[in-house]
Amino acid sequence: KQEVTQIPAALSVPEGENLVLNCSFTDSAIYNLQWFRQDPGKGLTSLLLIQSSQREQTSGRLNASLDKSSGRSTLYIAASQPGDSATYLCAVGQGGSQGNLIFGKGTKLSVKP
Amino acid sequence: DAGVIQSPRHEVTEMGQEVTLRCKPISGHNSLFWYRQTMMRGLELLIYFNNNVPIDDSGMPEDRFSAKMPNASFSTLKIQPSEPRDSAVYFCASSSRRGGLTDTQYFGPGTRLTVL
Repeated sequence: KQEVTQIPAALSVPEGENLVLNCSFTDSAIYNLQWFRQDPGKGLTSLLLIQSSQREQTSGRLNASLDKSSGRSTLYIAASQPGDSATYLCAVGQGGSQGNLIFGKGTKLSVKP
Repeated sequence: DAGVIQSPRHEVTEMGQEVTLRCKPISGHNSLFWYRQTMMRGLELLIYFNNNVPIDDSGMPEDRFSAKMPNASFSTLKIQPSEPRDSAVYFCASSSRRGGLTDTQYFGPGTRLTVL
């Protein structure tokens, strides 16, 4: 059974710092991996999707990497801003007859001005 | 596009009552997912439809839960009878599915359910 773990559970950094969020998964037979952002009381916003054949994806100040063989993904946020404060969720996509995502419990990020 | 639409946004009901949650996926998407989020368990898949057909309902907790997708633009999740432990935020998400691969999932704002 696929399990997704995110460490740390919470992170507090000063504004302007570069930071890395970690995600690990137990079964490397994945089809894609998706990073989401969730603001308090809100739904999830997709940030980046990495297909299993890719090693990284970039969007603005965000860069996500994928190492299937080691069961790891990282989300790199450059020059963090207070507006980046949210919970970041990693989700592994299963394929074949399945299409659902298996989620980690998230990393709650606080960027202090 | 208006994104995934869910209603109601908040629902407070008493134990034993029937609850119906509604979802309208993004037009053109052929996969629809119902998830439940709690502090203890995080986000969990309840059921997944592809082309209006239920593909995986292994996450539905028990017979009190049922989901339907009568057409490509509407789905419901029903709980009957509701119990306090069903209190959670229920999310609907949709995506395109091509050649066995699922594209980015887009989430609705969720329905916060409180069962007293």
